[in-house]
Amino acid sequence: AQSVTQPDIHITVSEGASLELRCNYSYGATPYLFWYVQSPGQGLQLLLKYFSGDTLVQGIKGFEAEFKRSQSSFNLRKPSVHWSDAAEYFCAVGFDTGRRALTFGSGTRLQVQP
Amino acid sequence: DAGVIQSPRHEVTEMGQEVTLRCKPISGHNSLFWYRQTMMRGLELLIYFNNNVPIDDSGMPEDRFSAKMPNASFSTLKIQPSEPRDSAVYFCASSEGQGNNYGYTFGSGTRLTVV
Repeated sequence: AQSVTQPDIHITVSEGASLELRCNYSYGATPYLFWYVQSPGQGLQLLLKYFSGDTLVQGIKGFEAEFKRSQSSFNLRKPSVHWSDAAEYFCAVGFDTGRRALTFGSGTRLQVQP
Repeated sequence: DAGVIQSPRHEVTEMGQEVTLRCKPISGHNSLFWYRQTMMRGLELLIYFNNNVPIDDSGMPEDRFSAKMPNASFSTLKIQPSEPRDSAVYFCASSEGQGNNYGYTFGSGTRLTVV
């Protein structure tokens, strides 16, 4: 069965430090891959997406993610974290059948220390 | 574009009462999704419509839950009778096409508390 895993429930980084959030998926082919961010009391906002082509994709707010087929991973990165990046981050996976909705990971809560 | 609009933002109701959550998707989007978010279970898909037709309702918990999409600009999620375990944040999302290659736009959610 297709699945998506975010192994880190909670991460704390210092402001200005680099960030990497992990996402792994299980699927027989290349899925559609997404990262979303959720601020407290808000809905989910799309950060970036990958379908094909260049495996390094750029998103909003200075985020990027790299698709690594050999590792079935789609990790989210940011070179320098700002206090406003504190939020929950969700990886999501979609499949090309079109008859199944996106499957979301369990989320990683990011805390930023001053 | 006003985005996906959900109402109400907050709902507090007594156990046994009927609850109706509403969603207006983005104009031109032809897929609509209802998700439920809880601390214990994370984000769970409840139901997925494409062109107003339910495609996947396997996530609807039980017969107490029902969802309709009478037209392209409106959907409802109804819980009757409500129970305390239904307390959660309910999100509506919409997308172009069947969504998997566009991603979804989420509403701000409805926080439901059943006492």
